[in-house]
Amino acid sequence: DAGVTQSPTHLIKTRGQQVTLRCSPKSGHDTVSWYQQALGQGPQFIFQYYEEEERQRGNFPDRFSGHQFPNYSSELNVNALLLGDSALYLCASSPKWWGGFLSGNTIYFGEGSWLTVV
Amino acid sequence: AQSVTQPDIHITVSEGASLELRCNYSYGATPYLFWYVQSPGQGLQLLLKYFSGDTLVQGIKGFEAEFKRSQSSFNLRKPSVHWSDAAEYFCAVGGNYGGSQGNLIFGKGTKLSVKP
Repeated sequence: DAGVTQSPTHLIKTRGQQVTLRCSPKSGHDTVSWYQQALGQGPQFIFQYYEEEERQRGNFPDRFSGHQFPNYSSELNVNALLLGDSALYLCASSPKWWGGFLSGNTIYFGEGSWLTVV
Repeated sequence: AQSVTQPDIHITVSEGASLELRCNYSYGATPYLFWYVQSPGQGLQLLLKYFSGDTLVQGIKGFEAEFKRSQSSFNLRKPSVHWSDAAEYFCAVGGNYGGSQGNLIFGKGTKLSVKP
C-alpha cells in the first residue's frame, strides 16, 4: 500500500516564477492538506481540500492556490515566487473529512517537495 | 490563540538512557494530540496520537506519551534511546472544524542527538 507520494522531490526556481507541486494521497484517503515547513521550523498549514473544494485555509496569501482532482490527488501552485517561499512543502492525507479526529482520523504525511527560490 | 510549545530546541542523550521531550499546548476546544518524527531530509512519521480515553498512549518504536489536561502537556518518553532515534520530533495539536477534520498546529520541534 503506497503512502502519500509527492513530486517533484527537489526543484529550484527563480524569483517571480510559478511552481506546481503534486500529491497523491494514501489509498482510501479523500482529504488532502498542504503544509509549508521553513528551515528550522515546524510545518504550517496552508490549506485543505475535500471533494475538490478548499475547506480550510491557513494564513497564506492568495499567491498560494490549490486544486483537488476527482481521484483525490492534489496540486499546490505558488505564483510570483519570493525568496521566502523556499521551504519543504508537505502533503498530508486522511481517510475522511466528515467526523474529523473524533472518528479516529489520522493524518499521514508524504516526504515532501524541497523548493529553493533563487 | 492556539499554539504548541516545545521548550527544548536541542537535546542530547546517551544511547541507552531514558528520554523525555516536553510539549505544552494552548487550545480552546477538545485537543487531539500527536507526536511526529522527522529524520533528516524526510517527511513526518506519526509516532503516536491521543484522542480520548487512557491518558498514557503507546506508539511505535517504543515511544509513549502522557496527556495531562491540568498541565496542558503531552510529553513524549522512551525508556532506552537507540542511536537510530536521532531525529527531529514535533508535537502537534488538532481539533474538529465543525463536524469535520481541522488542521494541525505544530510546535517548532526538538532535535534529538544520541551519544554513543
